Amino acid sequence: DADVTQTPRNRITKTGKRIMLECSQTKGHDRMYWYRQDPGLGLRLIYYSFDVKDINKGEISDGYSVSRQAQAKFSLSLESAIPNQTALYFCAPSRQGGASGREKTDTQYFGPGTRLTVL
Amino acid sequence: GNSVTQMEGPVTLSEEAFLTINCTYTATGYPSLFWYVQYPGEGLQLLLKATKADDKGSNKGFEATYRKETTSFHLEKGSVQVSDSAVYFCALRPPTSGTASKLTFGTGTRLQVTL
Repeated sequence: DADVTQTPRNRITKTGKRIMLECSQTKGHDRMYWYRQDPGLGLRLIYYSFDVKDINKGEISDGYSVSRQAQAKFSLSLESAIPNQTALYFCAPSRQGGASGREKTDTQYFGPGTRLTVL
Repeated sequence: GNSVTQMEGPVTLSEEAFLTINCTYTATGYPSLFWYVQYPGEGLQLLLKATKADDKGSNKGFEATYRKETTSFHLEKGSVQVSDSAVYFCALRPPTSGTASKLTFGTGTRLQVTL
């Protein structure tokens, strides 16, 4: 598995504050993803990056921004936090594997998560 | 679009019981299919995967077979333990197409195993 570190692990903040969640990995995986987890909704993709120069919006990117500072680091920012952004946030680096050809397996390895509460 | 449907939980079983957690999917082509497990207070861990029809993924006594004809990837274990108590997520990844490589998750199924 990729060694994945997320900081902070827990954060309580107030509405309107700017928050940055950081993710780093030590395995040199080129792809990185940010998800949020809400009860009953599973995980939803916020942003993803396939390399340092590539940033893509996921299904729920509004209110979030990201920065891929290096291959190993992918930060998620909430410019002005609001209560419905209270959730568990996961970073997931991934690597391609499997046989060459039409399909390759892109296996994502999740970090321990950041629990964010916006009051 | 792509979607994953899991049975709602919680699923409560006695130790050594047989487990099935149903998962069906909607996708075009031949997606890769995954089961992730989330233990209390932890992130998701990849449990097993299958990348083509009729493949069987297995790990830690869990198995799931990729059934294209029924678009299913049900998770099974012959004898559960208390330590298997967790939330289980089924997920799919569409076939590689340009930069499309995103996982679509089900809503998760909580398993509670009692003595």
